[in-house]
Order: sequence, then structure tokens, then C-alpha cells
Amino acid sequence: ETGVTQSPTHLIKTRGQQVTLRCSSQSGHNTVSWYQQALGQGPQFIFQYYREEENGRGNFPPRFSGLQFPNYSSELNVNALELDDSALYLCASSLSQKNIQYFGAGTRLSVL
Amino acid sequence: AQTVTQSQPEMSVQEAETVTLSCTYDTSESNYYLFWYKQPPSRQMILVIRQEAYKQQNATENRFSVNFQKAAKSFSLKISDSQLGDTAMYFCAFMKNNNNDMRFGAGTRLTVKP
Repeated sequence: ETGVTQSPTHLIKTRGQQVTLRCSSQSGHNTVSWYQQALGQGPQFIFQYYREEENGRGNFPPRFSGLQFPNYSSELNVNALELDDSALYLCASSLSQKNIQYFGAGTRLSVL
Repeated sequence: AQTVTQSQPEMSVQEAETVTLSCTYDTSESNYYLFWYKQPPSRQMILVIRQEAYKQQNATENRFSVNFQKAAKSFSLKISDSQLGDTAMYFCAFMKNNNNDMRFGAGTRLTVKP
């Protein structure tokens, strides 16, 4: 167990809806990174938050947004859901921006 | 752009034997980190081993060791004395020293047979 928890574990939405995924980082970690893992593929970097500020972003459109709270927990928000957004969304926390990342078990999002 | 290639989609090994998973990467950077992560059916990615590019010595963690060939941009993982619990997807990953964007390969599905 890494101490990184994600909720919910599974989620079903319809196209056009909005979704919020949550992540609690490991105690003492101030950095949270989010990844999208499509079926049969490796994770792809969405963005990272360090001390409540976005600290790098991958090749994802603006409808993917995030927040980090003073306790370093984080949210991933996706607006105007598309079928291709169906994936496992992984959150990882680390002691700082460049340290080892510890992953949660992910949220499986299905968009119908 | 950095890319990570895992050329073996699936591999299998008998319990107690040794298996090597391959990974190559492409970068123009000189300072970076390489990782192997394991993802069992529970979905949680677990760090297996990490290598810093400026260190010539290959990293080892118990039964897991790497063969890091910087000039060839190769980073293979050797699992000795394979155990049934080693059955999982294994991902190779790359991260630049001055960046937080970790790039993953497509993964290798390893099955350890009794």
C-alpha cells in the first residue's frame, strides 16, 4: 500500500457530462500528478500540481483541469466528456516535483 | 520528444527461473531517470526499481536488477527466482531531470507459471 487513495473506484457517465475525480496524497507529499491510462496502453501524463499550483501539463485539452488543496489532496475535473475519455485515471504523489511517484489504485471511468 | 519502447507485449516464465524484460528509449538529454513499475490486476502501479542516468552502476532491489546501457539507450529488467506474485504488467518509464512529465512504454504482460 502506498498511502495514496483515489475515489471513486468506478464511475459511469454519459457523453457531454462533467466528472470530478479525487486523490488523497501520501502523508508528507506536496506534489500530485495525474495520468490517463487507456485500455492496453501505458499511462499518459495529464498534469502535475505542486503546492497548489499547476506545475506542468501534458498534451490534454483545457477541458481537463485540476485543483490542489492546502492539505495537498487533489481533484481532476473533466468537462464535456467524450467516449475516448473512458480510461483508468491514476493519481501519484511525491515528496517534491522530481522525486519518486507513488500511485493510487486509480478510478475507472466509463463514458457511454 | 522522449519515447519509450517495450517490444515484448507478453512474456511467460516458469516459477523460480529468470526472465528479462526489454526497454529502449529515445532522448537527447544527458540527465534523466528511468523506472520500472509493476501493475498487478489490482491496478496499483508499484515502483520496482529506479536508475539515475548519471550513475554507471546498475540498480538492484533484491531479485530485481537492471542492465542500463546509456549509449545504447537500453534499460532492461531482470527478475531472478520468479515468483507467482510477479505476474503483472510491467512498465518502463522515463523522466527528464528538469521535468515532471514521466513517459511510459506500452507495457509487457508477464505471466509466471507454476
